[in-house]
Amino acid sequence: DAGVIQSPRHEVTEMGQEVTLRCKPISGHDYLFWYRQTMMRGLELLIYFNNNVPIDDSGMPEDRFSAKMPNASFSTLKIQPSEPRDSAVYFCASWTSGRSKTSSYNEQFFGPGTRLTVL
Amino acid sequence: GENVEQHPSTLSVQEGDSAVIKCTYSDSASNYFPWYKQELGKRPQLIIDIRSNVGEKKDQRIAVTLNKTAKHFSLHITETQPEDSAVYFCAASRGGSNYKLTFGKGTLLTVNP
Repeated sequence: DAGVIQSPRHEVTEMGQEVTLRCKPISGHDYLFWYRQTMMRGLELLIYFNNNVPIDDSGMPEDRFSAKMPNASFSTLKIQPSEPRDSAVYFCASWTSGRSKTSSYNEQFFGPGTRLTVL
Repeated sequence: GENVEQHPSTLSVQEGDSAVIKCTYSDSASNYFPWYKQELGKRPQLIIDIRSNVGEKKDQRIAVTLNKTAKHFSLHITETQPEDSAVYFCAASRGGSNYKLTFGKGTLLTVNP
C-alpha cells in the first residue's frame, strides 16, 4: 500500500482565495482524520470521519473550513475564503478499527502533509 | 475535553546519554497513550504506545511508563544517537468508540555527536 496520500504537497495562495486539500486514506481504513500543525498551536485535530460520516468537527476553527468524505477513498478539506492565519501544515491520517498483525492496534498513519501558505 | 501537557519543549543531550520526556493528561477516562516522532519536514510516525492496563513497555532503546493515578506518562530513550534528533509528541485518547488523539505541544530533541 502506498500509505496515506495527500495533494497538493505545497500550496501558495492569496488571501480570499478558495483552497482545497485532498486526501486518500489507506485502503480498508475506516477512520480518517484531518489535523493542522503550527508552531504556536502544535498538532490540532480539526475533524474526523468514520465510514465516511463526520463524527466530530469540534476542532474546525470556523465556518470558512469545511470537510467532506464522499467515499471511502477520498476526502477534501476546503477553506473559503482563506486568510494568512490559515497558513500551516495540514495532515490527513487514517486508521483501521480492525486488528492488524503488523502494526500497533491503534496506530494512526499520517500522510506527508500539505504546506499551505496564504499571502 | 482532554488536555495534554508536555515537557520540556526542547531537550539537548550528548550522544550516548539518556533522554526523558514527560506528559500529563487531564481526562481520567483516557486509556491509550502513543508517542510519535516527527523528523524535520516529515510526517509524524508512531514509535511506541501504551495502554492503561500496563505500567511500562519497552522496545529496544525506547520505553514508555504510565502512572494512571498521577495521570502522567513518560518516554525514555537510552543510548541516544544523532538520528534520534526530532520532535517527539505524546498523545492521549479514550479509545473505545472515541478515537480522537489529543497531542502535546511536542519536544524538540537534539542529540549532539
